[in-house]
Amino acid sequence: DAGVTQSPTHLIKTRGQQVTLRCSPKSGHDTVSWYQQALGQGPQFIFQYYEEEERQRGNFPDRFSGHQFPNYSSELNVNALLLGDSALYLCASSRTGASSGANVLTFGAGSRLTVL
Amino acid sequence: QKEVEQDPGPLSVPEGAIVSLNCTYSNSAFQYFMWYRQYSRKGPELLMYTYSSGNKEDGRFTAQVDKSSKYISLFIRDSQPSDSATYLCAMTFPGGFKTIFGAGTRLFVKA
Repeated sequence: DAGVTQSPTHLIKTRGQQVTLRCSPKSGHDTVSWYQQALGQGPQFIFQYYEEEERQRGNFPDRFSGHQFPNYSSELNVNALLLGDSALYLCASSRTGASSGANVLTFGAGSRLTVL
Repeated sequence: QKEVEQDPGPLSVPEGAIVSLNCTYSNSAFQYFMWYRQYSRKGPELLMYTYSSGNKEDGRFTAQVDKSSKYISLFIRDSQPSDSATYLCAMTFPGGFKTIFGAGTRLFVKA
């Protein structure tokens, strides 16, 4: 049973470019969240998608956008890249309505983005 | 002030030691408290979570929540070199969609 898979694992872009990151959730999960983890920091919530809609958004500019597809997979798009966007981008999946109520997240290994 | 404060360490201990990792938080509305472990070049993985106050034990790991002090702890007994990783505390609201993470504490267990 595959967990959360992300692609690409590493990529290098230059300032002003655009990037698309992809995520396939764990089997049985219907909710995808994206987090940004800068070096030496904890993950910061970007947004969460459920039923193909953005359900909640963190404190990130509109340059960050996303999409969820009918098969629950998701994309994160970042436009007009800045040097400060260099980070590990983590996708996490979960199941809305799970009995625990704790929003337990299963993370992928991340996509490491370097902006030059 | 950050919602969740966590000492980044690093924390270095000998094999077999008891490790104590801690976080403080400012929002009393948090109800779910988690600990994630993150190995180098990997995503975080959930170790355990607790609801509201109290203790929870799972093998060598014990999580404690003191809501009156807004303080949570993770204890690791008989620490092993394989426990060397970054430990992230995290918390969320009931029915909440986002999880708030601490900065993570880097732990090194020396053989």
